[in-house]
Amino acid sequence: GAGVSQSPSNKVTEKGKDVELRCDPISGHTALYWYRQSLGQGLEFLIYFQGNSAPDKSGLPSDRFSAERTGGSVSTLTIQRTQQEDSAVYLCASRTRISGGTEAFFGQGTRLTVV
Amino acid sequence: QKEVEQDPGPLSVPEGAIVSLNCTYSNSAFQYFMWYRQYSRKGPELLMYTYSSGNKEDGRFTAQVDKSSKYISLFIRDSQPSDSATYLCAMSAGGYGNNRLAFGKGNQVVVIP
Repeated sequence: GAGVSQSPSNKVTEKGKDVELRCDPISGHTALYWYRQSLGQGLEFLIYFQGNSAPDKSGLPSDRFSAERTGGSVSTLTIQRTQQEDSAVYLCASRTRISGGTEAFFGQGTRLTVV
Repeated sequence: QKEVEQDPGPLSVPEGAIVSLNCTYSNSAFQYFMWYRQYSRKGPELLMYTYSSGNKEDGRFTAQVDKSSKYISLFIRDSQPSDSATYLCAMSAGGYGNNRLAFGKGNQVVVIP
């Protein structure tokens, strides 16, 4: 597609349930990021994938959070046993080059609400 | 100290005024600097992109980077109501394996007609 696509756009789930959020990056982009944005807060880094390298998971807030990227393209962020504090907008971005210097393009985000 | 500091206070200006936004940072390895604009319920969109120190101008927008002071700015001239959005600064060190983007909290800007 022309841009980064995320699905679903909105997700309401009950506390304790697992959720999966999907990101389709721009074709050919080797780098993929997940960020979380809570109300009134900036973007909180979660995880970064770059080509075939081991992902940078340093931003994942707990072991309930995990992400994978299959075939260097589509990525799925999984949150297990969701808590109310997980409610936020989850943003995915992709980037073209291995070594910095280029902008990251964001999707529209998935608005997660845990009730 | 947070890696990127951006005073998140809202900013209201009359149409036609100059909007001035800024961020400070602590990581001297940062050398790629970006400003993103985010409309309500939308993803951030890249507005300006600068490498290392210096100025960059694009239409009504000017981005400035002063690496010696670890300070970046965004100026919007002749502001329009359509400029009303949240503006986020972002930066990265670049380089293989070190491409994490660090963001400020964002400034909500309202341009009053």
